[in-house]
Amino acid sequence: AQSVTQLGSHVSVSEGALVLLRCNYSSSVPPYLFWYVQYPNQGLQLLLKYTSAATLVKGINGFEAEFKKSETSFHLTKPSAHMSDAAEYFCAVRAANFGNEKLTFGTGTRLTIIP
Amino acid sequence: EPEVTQTPSHQVTQMGQEVILRCVPISNHLYFYWYRQILGQKVEFLVSFYNNEISEKSEIFDDQFSVERPDGSNFTLKIRSTKLEDSAMYFCASVGGYSYNEQFFGPGTRLTVL
Repeated sequence: AQSVTQLGSHVSVSEGALVLLRCNYSSSVPPYLFWYVQYPNQGLQLLLKYTSAATLVKGINGFEAEFKKSETSFHLTKPSAHMSDAAEYFCAVRAANFGNEKLTFGTGTRLTIIP
Repeated sequence: EPEVTQTPSHQVTQMGQEVILRCVPISNHLYFYWYRQILGQKVEFLVSFYNNEISEKSEIFDDQFSVERPDGSNFTLKIRSTKLEDSAMYFCASVGGYSYNEQFFGPGTRLTVL
């Protein structure tokens, strides 16, 4: 079974400041990990994914995340926040198997950017 | 770029009515999913579907729900007798092609039960 904990349901950062959104996972098997972004009244867009290759993964819009097995973490970072980054961010986990595995999502973190 | 599409974007229905939510997955994908997101809450898995049968379903997916792939392109979610608590955003997703580790999500259908 898999689960995800996202610490901080709301995070506010100033424009230009570092963005850090935290995600810890639990998985009884090797995991694949994902970050999705959801803008208001829109669907889920994949930001980046870890699928057992490089532990530091880079995604769209300047975001990156590092898989740390010892800490069971997959925190999302961006060096410099932009107003357009304001959205809801979801971390998700699935078992690292072929194909037909469901995603288990965290409760989400709403990111607010302060001008 | 291929994408998952969903119709309608918004459906309003009366409690007790049947609704069918439609999805067109990416054409060469083989695995299909429905998720839902109640307003302000996390995205929850409902059901996965492969080779014309349900692979896995969650506790939410009770006898009121059913899924079907009636032809080679559509994937539908039916709610037989809607309840107020079924009001949510419903997302369809598919997996396949060259990227078996990534689920591609549709834009969602917002279901409002009155």
